[in-house]
Amino acid sequence: RKEVEQDPGPFNVPEGATVAFNCTYSNSASQSFFWYRQDCRKEPKLLMSVYSSGNEDGRFTAQLNRASQYISLLIRDSKLSDSATYLCVVNLFSGGYNKLIFGAGTRLAVHP
Amino acid sequence: GAVVSQHPSRVICKSGTSVKIECRSLDFQATTMFWYRQFPKQSLMLMATSNEGSKATYEQGVEKDKFLINHASLTLSTLTVTSAHPEDSSFYICSARDSYGDQPQHFGDGTRLSIL
Repeated sequence: RKEVEQDPGPFNVPEGATVAFNCTYSNSASQSFFWYRQDCRKEPKLLMSVYSSGNEDGRFTAQLNRASQYISLLIRDSKLSDSATYLCVVNLFSGGYNKLIFGAGTRLAVHP
Repeated sequence: GAVVSQHPSRVICKSGTSVKIECRSLDFQATTMFWYRQFPKQSLMLMATSNEGSKATYEQGVEKDKFLINHASLTLSTLTVTSAHPEDSSFYICSARDSYGDQPQHFGDGTRLSIL
């Protein structure tokens, strides 16, 4: 079983749509959680951290359910520029280091 | 903000060549740097954790004699792919941890390696 699992998509949505991505992680010792965005052939960029209380950054809302080991990302009022791959990432302390474990990503394509 | 510079961004070379990739933290000291590899449509996979002044810690399945890592200073780590073969073709990305920053890791721009 993969440590971080995501639906690969692609999600094809029109501009203005609301889209939700889900992610599950297998290691209950995971300490912190993030959503990254990766554009084609580019490095990943931090989109937002994810907290159990839920957090919002503009059109983006992230939620963590530790009991279910489930993370979500909601994007409202999608823009063309939101087209990218969204990576679910967990931080795990292992072997003496904090390591980031990446999901394979969910592709989003926003069309006019 | 903190910047991590990775060089080169693109390498095309013949099978059997050794390729060195540099990762520099430009405005902070990075005692720990990480090297990842990403194959098309797959997740970033951690290859090794590089510590300044000591040996790198390699993830399971990563050959340390194949992927040589040197972290000689607080701002520079290098990854050398020795005797590269076509199956080593991939996107290699480094990252560095800034102890005082708000991001877990700062990523370099990545190096796209193509072995012919």
